[in-house]
Amino acid sequence: NAGVMQNPRHLVRRRGQEARLRCSPMKGHSHVYWYRQLPEEGLKFMVYLQKENIIDESGMPKERFSAEFPKEGPSILRIQQVVRGDSAAYFCASSPPGGAPVGQFFGPGTRLTVL
Amino acid sequence: QKEVEQNSGPLSVPEGAIASLNCTYSDRGSQSFFWYRQYSGKSPELIMSIYSNGDKEDGRFTAQLNKASQYVSLLIRDSQPSDSATYLCAVNIGERGTYKYIFGTGTRLKVLA
Repeated sequence: NAGVMQNPRHLVRRRGQEARLRCSPMKGHSHVYWYRQLPEEGLKFMVYLQKENIIDESGMPKERFSAEFPKEGPSILRIQQVVRGDSAAYFCASSPPGGAPVGQFFGPGTRLTVL
Repeated sequence: QKEVEQNSGPLSVPEGAIASLNCTYSDRGSQSFFWYRQYSGKSPELIMSIYSNGDKEDGRFTAQLNKASQYVSLLIRDSQPSDSATYLCAVNIGERGTYKYIFGTGTRLKVLA
């Protein structure tokens, strides 16, 4: 049973380019979460999605950032016109639907470097 | 603003000792609590979950929950250098089918050989 998959693992972009980060949740999981983490800092919640729905995007910057989780395919976190301050590790986590919450399972992360 | 608070540390303990990590949360309605371990440069890994008041043991790990005091702790017995990591406390909030998790900033644990 494959875990949460993220790609690419490392992404280098120049200022002004677009970054697309992909996340495939664990099999059977329909809840996806994106977090950002700067070195030596905690996890910062960005967005929570279910299939075709954004449940909570309170942690997402209003400009340049968007996320989707389509009916088919992976969840995508998109950052337009990247700036140096976007350099961070971006983690995706998934959890199963229904019943009591059982916690989240994290992918390996995408390390974004903006030159 | 619902919050989860942890002492950032570092907490240093000698090898073989008990490490005690603490977490408080503000939302009295929270029902589910989790501990994650994060090694430097890696992603968080779920190591314990607890839902009821009292203790839950899994190997060298014991999670303790006191809902009246809004307090969760993680005890690591016979600490090993390989336990050196950041430990994140997370609390679930949300209603009926939507599950949001609030994370503390983590406590850095150093186990000294």
